[in-house]
Amino acid sequence: QKEVEQNSGPLSVPEGAIASLNCTYSDRGSQSFFWYRQYSGKSPELIMFIYSNGDKEDGRFTAQLNKASQYVSLLIRDSQPSDSATYLCAVSGGNKLVFGAGTILRVKS
Amino acid sequence: SAVISQKPSRDICQRGTSLTIQCQVDSQVTMMFWYRQQPGQSLTLIATANQGSEATYESGFVIDKFPISRPNLTFSTLTVSNMSPEDSSIYLCSVAWTDTPGYTFGSGTRLTVV
Repeated sequence: QKEVEQNSGPLSVPEGAIASLNCTYSDRGSQSFFWYRQYSGKSPELIMFIYSNGDKEDGRFTAQLNKASQYVSLLIRDSQPSDSATYLCAVSGGNKLVFGAGTILRVKS
Repeated sequence: SAVISQKPSRDICQRGTSLTIQCQVDSQVTMMFWYRQQPGQSLTLIATANQGSEATYESGFVIDKFPISRPNLTFSTLTVSNMSPEDSSIYLCSVAWTDTPGYTFGSGTRLTVV
């Protein structure tokens, strides 16, 4: 059974701070890693993906992958109240995405 | 970008009845999936909708309860059969594009069974 683990939170950060969201996965064969953002009552929206070890930056978002440790993280710089949402980590080793339970992020102004 | 239309957006149904959810994509896609998101929970894959053949179901989900059709590369339906209150959930259609990473989700169907 492939598993993706996330701390459910909530993670509370002040506006302007860096939010750090973490995820571990059990299947060493996983090849693709995704971060989705889900606002309350809305469907998930893809915000970052990463395939290779290291960092990938896109605007205020940085995804980090360490396959040896089976660990993937998402950093959000200069956090804004509009970043308040549930962040879902998803992992794929083939055609299927397996999702973690999500971390609730609250950015306080 | 391509659009995924899912309907109904919400429904309240009596136990013992069935509801069919439709997912329409405005361009051809190879992979379509159906997920369930129970209140306060993450997404669980129900099945992969295969064009022209029977869907591939995940452990814990069976065709008699969740029959799926996919007559072409742009359309799929999920039926929730013989519903009980435990089926109250959000059901999401998802597609995978050949030239775009990850999946894109429809807007979801919020089902309440009373």
